Amino acid sequence: DSGVTQTPKHLITATGQRVTLRCSPRSGDLSVYWYQQSLDQGLQFLIQYYNGEERAKGNILERFSAQQFPDLHSELNLSSLELGDSALYFCASSVNSGSGNEQFFGPGTRLTVL
Amino acid sequence: AQSVAQPEDQVNVAEGNPLTVKCTYSVSGNPYLFWYVQYPNRGLQFLLKYITGDNLVKGSYGFEAEFNKSQTSFHLKKPSALVSDSALYFCAVRRGEAGTALIFGKGTTLSVSS
Repeated sequence: DSGVTQTPKHLITATGQRVTLRCSPRSGDLSVYWYQQSLDQGLQFLIQYYNGEERAKGNILERFSAQQFPDLHSELNLSSLELGDSALYFCASSVNSGSGNEQFFGPGTRLTVL
Repeated sequence: AQSVAQPEDQVNVAEGNPLTVKCTYSVSGNPYLFWYVQYPNRGLQFLLKYITGDNLVKGSYGFEAEFNKSQTSFHLKKPSALVSDSALYFCAVRRGEAGTALIFGKGTTLSVSS
């Protein structure tokens, strides 16, 4: 167990809908990262937050947004969902924003868009 | 741009034999290199990293990796494979600067037979 929690574990929804994925980092970690894992794209970095502020952005669609709250938990919002958004979404955390820090991954949320 | 290549989709070894999972990278500046392992229906687990210093890095579960700057490689090795090592292995690279993303390879499935 990495100490990173993600809810829900599974999510099934329809095209056009909006969902929110939640992540709680390890105790003491200030950085949160979001990743999307799919068979065709592999593991893709979406976005990073550090102590409430956006720190790095990857291949995140405009329909997706995230935030990190004062208690350091983070939410990833996915809107106008398409079939191609079906994937495993991982949250990871690290102690700070340093590039040399290993990231600790949660168990993921499996999103299925029908 | 950063990139990671894992040239083998699958590596098959017999239990007790040495294993190698290959990784090459491309990054401007100094690379920070990582190996992660993913078991079925689980999040990624950190194995080891290279930041600076000794080119041979030792990590969890008896794994080690060798950083070779001239060949831009960071191959994962273990002297004696276990059936329980069977999993999906990811190599990842990050530039040594703040605000940069961790870029993952496509992953290599390791299958250890008894």
